[in-house]
Amino acid sequence: GESVGLHLPTLSVQEGDNSIINCAYSNSASDYFIWYKQESGKGPQFIIDIRSNMDKRQGQRVTVLLNKTVKHLSLQIAATQPGDSAVYFCAENPPDSNYQLIWGAGTKLIIKP
Amino acid sequence: KAGVTQTPRYLIKTRGQQVTLSCSPISGHRSVSWYQQTPGQGLQFLFEYFSETQRNKGNFPGRFSGRQFSNSRSEMNVSTLELGDSALYLCASSLSVPGTGELFFGEGSRLTVL
Repeated sequence: GESVGLHLPTLSVQEGDNSIINCAYSNSASDYFIWYKQESGKGPQFIIDIRSNMDKRQGQRVTVLLNKTVKHLSLQIAATQPGDSAVYFCAENPPDSNYQLIWGAGTKLIIKP
Repeated sequence: KAGVTQTPRYLIKTRGQQVTLSCSPISGHRSVSWYQQTPGQGLQFLFEYFSETQRNKGNFPGRFSGRQFSNSRSEMNVSTLELGDSALYLCASSLSVPGTGELFFGEGSRLTVL
């Protein structure tokens, strides 16, 4: 079945640097993608989403890039802060999933002081 | 505006017992989804309810069940608990279908099965 995978389970970044979290998806027909952040002891929190008719979307300090040619999604966090430490999940919405998101396993982002 | 509320936050059960978890969605949200999260795993979809109807179900055994009430509050039940059921159970609500917009998650119910 379809799956969403992450290239790195853990990412360590120096505070102040930019972070890039990658995600591969397998269904080329997926039309909606979303990123969530989960801090320790909390539920996932929405960060940003993007539809397949776009290749880039920006939020506050975050940018999501979508490359449909290689079925790749990335989340860029500018000027990483200690509060960005969390597990980041990407999810896709395949057309045949009855609107049920398919979730990746997550990437843990560690901020080095 | 109150967020998604899940109760209880923590609970310990023994094998063979059953458990009921509760979720109160954000006011006005009619869709409630349930997920199981285990260490090192992503979110595994359990089921989704909309206006008291189960619209979607994940690949979990029949021991896992749920329902939604007319006020959109939802419960999930796990019967004949197994050690492998130990997990964080997350509830999420949304205005409409889950795959088209933001899901709002509660903080979860952490179940430990001994």
